[in-house]
Amino acid sequence: ELKVEQNPLFLSMQEGKNYTIYCNYSTTSDRLYWYRQDPGKSLESLFVLLSNGAVKQEGRLMASLDTKARLSTLHITAAVHDLSATYFCAVNTLRDDKIIFGKGTRLHILP
Amino acid sequence: KAGVTQTPRYLIKTRGQQVTLSCSPISGHRSVSWYQQTPGQGLQFLFEYFSETQRNKGNFPGRFSGRQFSNSRSEMNVSTLELGDSALYLCASRFHTDTQYFGPGTRLTVL
Repeated sequence: ELKVEQNPLFLSMQEGKNYTIYCNYSTTSDRLYWYRQDPGKSLESLFVLLSNGAVKQEGRLMASLDTKARLSTLHITAAVHDLSATYFCAVNTLRDDKIIFGKGTRLHILP
Repeated sequence: KAGVTQTPRYLIKTRGQQVTLSCSPISGHRSVSWYQQTPGQGLQFLFEYFSETQRNKGNFPGRFSGRQFSNSRSEMNVSTLELGDSALYLCASRFHTDTQYFGPGTRLTVL
């Protein structure tokens, strides 16, 4: 069964700092997604990573994928308060293309 | 293009009742997935429908069921409601294997 683990689950950081969220998954997959969820809101798609070594960047967020290590990272550069949210990674199962989510990383950026 | 819509947005029911939630996907999207989100369990996959057929199913009891209509709209039904069914129910649509786009969710409270 595919398991998706994120860490840390909670992160409080100062504005201006850099940090990385990690997403490990347990079996082979061919797609990894990152989503953002603001409190009381739905999920917003950030990135889709399709191949080993894929890197995507949008503003202060950069996501990368290492399929051999079954690891994706979401790197935050010079954090700003607006990035406070919960970030989810999700992975599809190859056998039946089910999409399984990690528990999410709750990011709180202090001014 | 209009996004994914879900109705109703909020619902209060009592134990033992049943409930039906509705989801209209983005035009052209034939896949609709349902998720349950709770603080304790996170985002859990319920089922996915594609072209009126259930393609995937998560590990939920038979009280949770769904269906999809020829216009790709989907409904989810929960019978014999339990307190633990209180959650945010999210629907997501996608075009083939692309990114999922989530609706605003239905907040179900069971008293």
